[in-house]
Amino acid sequence: GAGVSQSPRYKVAKRGQDVALRCDPISGHVSLFWYQQALGQGPEFLTYFQNEAQLDKSGLPSDRFFAERPEGSVSTLKIQRTQQEDSAVYLCASSFFLGDDTQYFGPGTRLTVL
Amino acid sequence: SQQGEEDPQALSIQEGENATMNCSYKTSINNLQWYRQNSGRGLVHLILIRSNEREKHSGRLRVTLDTSKKSSSLLITASRAADTASYFCATDAAGGSYIPTFGRGTSLIVHP
Repeated sequence: GAGVSQSPRYKVAKRGQDVALRCDPISGHVSLFWYQQALGQGPEFLTYFQNEAQLDKSGLPSDRFFAERPEGSVSTLKIQRTQQEDSAVYLCASSFFLGDDTQYFGPGTRLTVL
Repeated sequence: SQQGEEDPQALSIQEGENATMNCSYKTSINNLQWYRQNSGRGLVHLILIRSNEREKHSGRLRVTLDTSKKSSSLLITASRAADTASYFCATDAAGGSYIPTFGRGTSLIVHP
């Protein structure tokens, strides 16, 4: 595809609901990253995949957050029992390989938890 | 936690003027990158400078890196209204995992 796509672009959830956010990386990109961006802040790292392997999930804020990339392409970030502090923009980025390389970002999913 | 910190937090200039943003970081790095984010959009990569480089140019962008001071600057020359955006620096720590750590960003407004 032309770039990284994310869906939905906007999601409103009631507190306690589960949500699933999807990321379609650039075809052929091995590395995929998820970030959380609060209003007025920079992106904060959540987790990283190399192909289907989740190599780093140190940034996930709690065990309510879960990410997967079962076939090494599309990834899903799932948040269970959402809370108000989960409200943020969730950004996905991909790159050809991990290391000295450019990350290409999707437009993000803005999650609002009421 | 955020390693890089941009300064100033906000910058307002007239079209045609130059804009300078600074980034300071705490630990040794492999490289430093600058990104731009337009309102409601994802980040766009602007330029990457490696720890053994001191200056890089790309069009109207000039980036410098001073590893002794652990700081970098981004200069946008002859600014345009379309340059209005937030600008972030991202560093990846030497000996680390190559996962970039972003600062809080500088919000730039260029008035036409």
